[in-house]
Amino acid sequence: DTEVTQTPKHLVMGMTNKKSLKCEQHMGHRAMYWYKQKAKKPPELMFVYSYEKLSINESVPSRFSPECPNSSLLNLHLHALQPEDSALYLCASSYIVRGNSEQYFGPGTRLTVT
Amino acid sequence: AQSVTQLDSQVPVFEEAPVELRCNYSSSVSVYLFWYVQYPNQGLQLLLKYLSGSTLVESINGFEAEFNKSQTSFHLRKPSVHISDTAEYFCAVSRTAGGTSYGKLTFGQGTILTVHP
Repeated sequence: DTEVTQTPKHLVMGMTNKKSLKCEQHMGHRAMYWYKQKAKKPPELMFVYSYEKLSINESVPSRFSPECPNSSLLNLHLHALQPEDSALYLCASSYIVRGNSEQYFGPGTRLTVT
Repeated sequence: AQSVTQLDSQVPVFEEAPVELRCNYSSSVSVYLFWYVQYPNQGLQLLLKYLSGSTLVESINGFEAEFNKSQTSFHLRKPSVHISDTAEYFCAVSRTAGGTSYGKLTFGQGTILTVHP
């Protein structure tokens, strides 16, 4: 199984809402990533978890809160978002955090903030 | 720091024609090189990668890329494209050794390949 799953596929939320994005993999990977992708742009790294510990935070605003409850799951908690946060949010995983580790991407959650 | 430049934002081509998508990178350290493909409304899939060894790497669906260290390039080519190759293609690099950005992929801006019948 080389699949990374993400739920929901689409999410519309108001600026005062609290919601969560979920990501799951069962490949035994110990590195998991959150990316944000705006239209016509490449993915931008947000967070990296290595062995369930946050190892990289790319100066992401605190209205985005990541969580890694176990080695298979990755959540992104959203609160008080702005319309400019509307984007495709991609989750990825790799065997470990290493330069030559292939990252497997999920299909993404398309988020619209109204 | 690393940076990646994809020289063409859009490449239109007719079916069965050859195509080349250009990628140049800049880095003060050794890097691994990757090409990812993103089909509409989907996530990214690894197309091929250069880690070491032969500078010519191939994918299972007919794409190939050649690492040219002197020109710091990693251009993607296919001798005959299909309609199904229509997608956005991202070139990316990653450091080979440690540092604060170890394991981080740095992407180019992407090239939209459109194959016309």
